[in-house]
Amino acid sequence: ETGVTQSPTHLIKTRGQQVTLRCSSQSGHNTVSWYQQALGQGPQFIFQYYREEENGRGNFPPRFSGLQFPNYSSELNVNALELDDSALYLCASSLGQAKNIQYFGAGTRLSVL
Amino acid sequence: QKEVEQNSGPLSVPEGAIASLNCTYSDRGSQSFFWYRQYSGKSPELIMSIYSNGDKEDGRFTAQLNKASQYVSLLIRDSQPSDSATYLCAVEMDSSYKLIFGSGTRLLVRP
Repeated sequence: ETGVTQSPTHLIKTRGQQVTLRCSSQSGHNTVSWYQQALGQGPQFIFQYYREEENGRGNFPPRFSGLQFPNYSSELNVNALELDDSALYLCASSLGQAKNIQYFGAGTRLSVL
Repeated sequence: QKEVEQNSGPLSVPEGAIASLNCTYSDRGSQSFFWYRQYSGKSPELIMSIYSNGDKEDGRFTAQLNKASQYVSLLIRDSQPSDSATYLCAVEMDSSYKLIFGSGTRLLVRP
């Protein structure tokens, strides 16, 4: 157990809808990174939040957006869902001085029909 | 060219053998390297981190780094069936805290 919790566990949406995924970081961790993992692939970096500010972004379109709250929990929002957005979405938390030491939550499995 | 490359496997080894997992990366400036283990249907679990050339040992696991060859490997000694999983190599790009993952190598340890 990493102490990183994600909700919901599974989600089914239809194309064009919007979705919000949630993450609570490990106690004391002020940095949250989000990744998308398609079947049979490694996780792909979406973005990272540090102290409520975006601290780097991967090669994802603007319809992927995020937030970090004062308690360091975070949300990932995806608008105008596409079939290719079907994937496991992973949240990872880390401590500010070691942002690259990242511990993953169990993930949210999103299916877009 | 992919930034982090791994052989997808499966790599099949008998119980008790040494499993050797390899990874190459494209960014010569990378400084931080990680190995994660991912069981089917689960999330990645951090096993090892390595930052300097050479070997780093932790129990049955040894990570090896050669920055000149842009190569990092993971050795698992005395492999157990419970080690059967996908092993993901991750490289931090440009000191950006962004981890770039390979596609993973599937390891099967035969009893």
